[in-house]
Amino acid sequence: AQTVTQSQPEMSVQEAETVTLSCTYDTSESDYYLFWYKQPPSRQMILVIRQEAYKQQNATENRFSVNFQKAAKSFSLKISDSQLGDAAMYFCAYGPSNAGGTSYGKLTFGQGTILTVHP
Amino acid sequence: EAGVTQSPTHLIKTRGQQATLRCSPISGHTSVYWYQQALGLGLQFLLWYDEGEERNRGNFPPRFSGRQFPNYSSELNVNALELEDSALYLCASSLVGGRFYTEAFFGQGTRLTVV
Repeated sequence: AQTVTQSQPEMSVQEAETVTLSCTYDTSESDYYLFWYKQPPSRQMILVIRQEAYKQQNATENRFSVNFQKAAKSFSLKISDSQLGDAAMYFCAYGPSNAGGTSYGKLTFGQGTILTVHP
Repeated sequence: EAGVTQSPTHLIKTRGQQATLRCSPISGHTSVYWYQQALGLGLQFLLWYDEGEERNRGNFPPRFSGRQFPNYSSELNVNALELEDSALYLCASSLVGGRFYTEAFFGQGTRLTVV
């Protein structure tokens, strides 16, 4: 079974600074997807960034980028030029790509990291 | 375009009762997913419905059940409620069954409190 671990329950950053959130996962699959989701106080989960395991290039979305280390099974999120609106709970998630597998259609989430942004 | 909508926003039930939660996917989306977000436990996968059928199920007891209607909306039923069922229940939808990764969108959830 796949597991996702976020070892930082809480992180804080000053506005305009950079912060990195950590995530490790465990899987025996070679092809899969990894995600970072943001959950603000409104509770709605918002997809921040997605990485496909077969792609070596790290995904980037504006101020958000990842450091994907497949061999180490590590998937960290870097937020540059942090803004007050970035304050939220961030979840790392794993999704299998095997359409025939028993895990297909299901995401495995980490416990989340609460990010506080100080003005 | 309307997003994924869930109702009710909040629900308070007594232990032993039944709870019914509803989800309307984005127009055109055929797959609906249910997740439980209990305090301190992250999100746990509950159920996946596609084209009216249950496609996958998480590690939850049978008293958690649901269905998907012909219009692709979905209902989650929790029978014989227990205190530990108190959680935020999130629904998500996607355009193509199982292709959660590129096209899934979440609703704002139903907060279920069991007293």
